[in-house]
Amino acid sequence: NAGVTQTPKFRVLKTGQSMTLLCAQDMNHEYMYWYRQDPGMGLRLIHYSVGEGTTAKGEVPDGYNVSRLKKQNFLLGLESAAPSQTSVYFCASGGNQPQHFGDGTRLSIL
Amino acid sequence: EDKVVQSPLSLVVHEGDTVTLNCSYEVTNFRSLLWYKQEKKAPTFLFMLTSSGIEKKSGRLSSILDKKELFSILNITATQTGDSAIYLCAVDRWLGTYKYIFGTGTRLKVLA
Repeated sequence: NAGVTQTPKFRVLKTGQSMTLLCAQDMNHEYMYWYRQDPGMGLRLIHYSVGEGTTAKGEVPDGYNVSRLKKQNFLLGLESAAPSQTSVYFCASGGNQPQHFGDGTRLSIL
Repeated sequence: EDKVVQSPLSLVVHEGDTVTLNCSYEVTNFRSLLWYKQEKKAPTFLFMLTSSGIEKKSGRLSSILDKKELFSILNITATQTGDSAIYLCAVDRWLGTYKYIFGTGTRLKVLA
């Protein structure tokens, strides 16, 4: 009964490094989302997907890329990490039902 | 511009107190309003409200929506230390897809 699983849970990067955050859901949801959560800012949508093979930009997409090659997986990439991308990242899945969230990835960019 | 505003930003109460958290919104194509509880990790779903005046209840928690005045409240009665969390309000909009806009949250601390 995993729900939404995110890996890794923590990561420290140096400015300019790249990495990929992984999200997997086992609820057969069509929609998947990536958010970032910063103090005083709430959850802000980075990118989302309405189904396998589709992606779309959210409120704060700059500096990130995503891919949804399989329905159950949604990947978030940082090509060249910047200190402003230090945040907690949450993946969610849903659509025509309440979104279900993963436990988050805490990412620090030095 | 669509927005969701929660108040207060933070709140400290003692066990047994009753609290009311507020969420007001200005959005296009309103579909539903949702409440989530966030402890240390993932936000967990509490309520989804779509119709005005119909109270949703789960144990000591209850919520109601006013679509005319564009707000919702979340009530917690007889608070316990386990209620300490950030409470997030989100509004779902139908814009051809399902996308939420979140408020900044209310941080509740319940003291023993």
